[in-house]
Amino acid sequence: GDSVTQMEGPVTLSEEAFLTINCTYTATGYPSLFWYVQYPGEGLQLLLKATKADDKGSNKGFEATYRKETTSFHLEKGSVQVSDSAVYFCALSNAGNNRKLIWGLGTSLAVNP
Amino acid sequence: DAGVIQSPRHEVTEMGQEVTLRCKPISGHNSLFWYRQTMMRGLELLIYFNNNVPIDDSGMPEDRFSAKMPNASFSTLKIQPSEPRDSAVYFCASSGGGTYNSPLHFGNGTRLTVT
Repeated sequence: GDSVTQMEGPVTLSEEAFLTINCTYTATGYPSLFWYVQYPGEGLQLLLKATKADDKGSNKGFEATYRKETTSFHLEKGSVQVSDSAVYFCALSNAGNNRKLIWGLGTSLAVNP
Repeated sequence: DAGVIQSPRHEVTEMGQEVTLRCKPISGHNSLFWYRQTMMRGLELLIYFNNNVPIDDSGMPEDRFSAKMPNASFSTLKIQPSEPRDSAVYFCASSGGGTYNSPLHFGNGTRLTVT
């Protein structure tokens, strides 16, 4: 079945450092790919998404490109801030999964001033 | 837009007691999802509804768990009797759009502790 694998955390960075969180997937057909972010004490919220190959999702300085050839959707940000400290989840949705999202286990990011 | 509203935010109960978690989805959204989050198992989909009808409850762990959606603006998740292993954060999420790539909007969760 479909699956999502994302890099284990925690990731600790200094403010203004470059961020990459790796996400790869296994799926049949043409899934949609998502990054969600969870701030402490809150629910998850959509950060960005891409619905077809070569699409780039972007929001709040974060970007991810849907790479079908490498089955990847890595999250990047050029200069992180302390306020980016959160847990980041990669997820996949596929027409054959009946509205179920397939989730990665989450990657915790801590940004130090 | 008030977002998805869950209550209570925190619930502490003793083993064997009944627990009811409540959710009000975003107005106009026609899909509602109940998730459980733990450190050990991550995010687990328990059940989801489309137009108030349960579509997939294969994630409900056992008969002690039940969920209802009597109308488009309200859903409950009930655990009876509760057990310590049910301790987790329970999230409700809603979605409009009706397609598999419509994003989910999550509430802030209910942190359940069963002693």
